[in-house]
Amino acid sequence: EAGVVQSPRYKIIEKKQPVAFWCNPISGHNTLYWYLQNLGQGPELLIRYENEEAVDDSQLPKDRFSAERLKGVDSTLKIQPAELGDSAVYLCASSHRDSDTQYFGPGTRLTVL
Amino acid sequence: GIQVEQSPPDLILQEGANSTLRCNFSDSVNNLQWFHQNPWGQLINLFYIPSGTKQNGRLSATTVATERYSLLYISSSQTTDSGVYFCAVEQETSGSRLTFGEGTQLTVNP
Repeated sequence: EAGVVQSPRYKIIEKKQPVAFWCNPISGHNTLYWYLQNLGQGPELLIRYENEEAVDDSQLPKDRFSAERLKGVDSTLKIQPAELGDSAVYLCASSHRDSDTQYFGPGTRLTVL
Repeated sequence: GIQVEQSPPDLILQEGANSTLRCNFSDSVNNLQWFHQNPWGQLINLFYIPSGTKQNGRLSATTVATERYSLLYISSSQTTDSGVYFCAVEQETSGSRLTFGEGTQLTVNP
């Protein structure tokens, strides 16, 4: 069974530029999560989807961050414009409706110069 | 929100040694998971253990929910055990939001 797939793995951009991250969850997993992980810290939830619906986006900075999960499968997280403080690893995770266990992708390491 | 404290923050072992990692949490939880983040950044789920004891090979975990702590035991450590171990909890009132601790950085030397 394929795991959670994320791309790109690494991204370097200039500040004020836009950037997008893509996630493909494990097949059959209806719940998808985006997390932010700063260096030396644990991941922090940005947004959680149940199928196509964003059911928890209270931690998403909506002035510059947006996310979508069209058709309830793949998801895209966007930052526009990026700031220096956005440099971090962005993790995607998924879980099945019958389980609380979350499975993580390899993450996208973003560097904003 | 709930507080999650992990100890020790750093641990250095010789190969073959045993260790115990601790996770304290400040409120009742309905979900607790232990993760290992390898040196390449991949987070691997080790245990889903809101209560009780589980074992998987050289690893075992115990959660005492009434006393708000969980322990992760690593026996006969190997260099491949190196990385960061995270405890993450979910409160009943938080939906499926996991709150992570800051992790324990484990280094196993040959």
